Amino acid sequence: AQSVAQPEDQVNVAEGNPLTVKCTYSVSGNPYLFWYVQYPNRGLQFLLKYITGDNLVKGSYGFEAEFNKSQTSFHLKKPSALVSDSALYFCAVRDKGASGGSYIPTFGRGTSLIVHP
Amino acid sequence: DAGVIQSPRHEVTEMGQEVTLRCKPISGHDYLFWYRQTMMRGLELLIYFNNNVPIDDSGMPEDRFSAKMPNASFSTLKIQPSEPRDSAVYFCASSPAGVSFYEQYFGPGTRLTVT
Repeated sequence: AQSVAQPEDQVNVAEGNPLTVKCTYSVSGNPYLFWYVQYPNRGLQFLLKYITGDNLVKGSYGFEAEFNKSQTSFHLKKPSALVSDSALYFCAVRDKGASGGSYIPTFGRGTSLIVHP
Repeated sequence: DAGVIQSPRHEVTEMGQEVTLRCKPISGHDYLFWYRQTMMRGLELLIYFNNNVPIDDSGMPEDRFSAKMPNASFSTLKIQPSEPRDSAVYFCASSPAGVSFYEQYFGPGTRLTVT
């Protein structure tokens, strides 16, 4: 079974400050991890993914995420937040499992990021 | 590529009426997903197709919901009869085939309001 948790419903940060949006996961095998962003009245857009290799993954719009296997986390980060980063952020996981892959992703509930001017 | 196309963008209907939502996936993508998003339940996977064949419809809430994919470029999600609790944003997404680590490409969504 696979699951993902986003412990914060909302994150508030001042423009120019670093931001972190948290994500933890549970899988039986190795995870494929994704971050998506949803702007108002839009569909979800892919930001970045971890498949294998380097634990620090860089994505669109200056975002990055760090895979931490021991803590089963995949937190989204950005060194300097912009007001335009204000949106809903979703973490998703797929469990590669022991006998192959599950194609059905599990999405978190989403975290609303609000960047204040 | 125009991306995933959904129509209509907004739908307002009365309880008991039939509603049909439409989706055109990205050309060449073999997987198609239907999701529903509400404040209360977040993003829910309703059904997904592989090469036009429904693979898992365990997320479809009731028999009032049905989905079809008659060809690689078109899918429909139908609600008959509709109820106020069906009000939500419905997203279609598509993804390439082959391995399970491809990201999904989402359409703009259809905002359904049932009065």
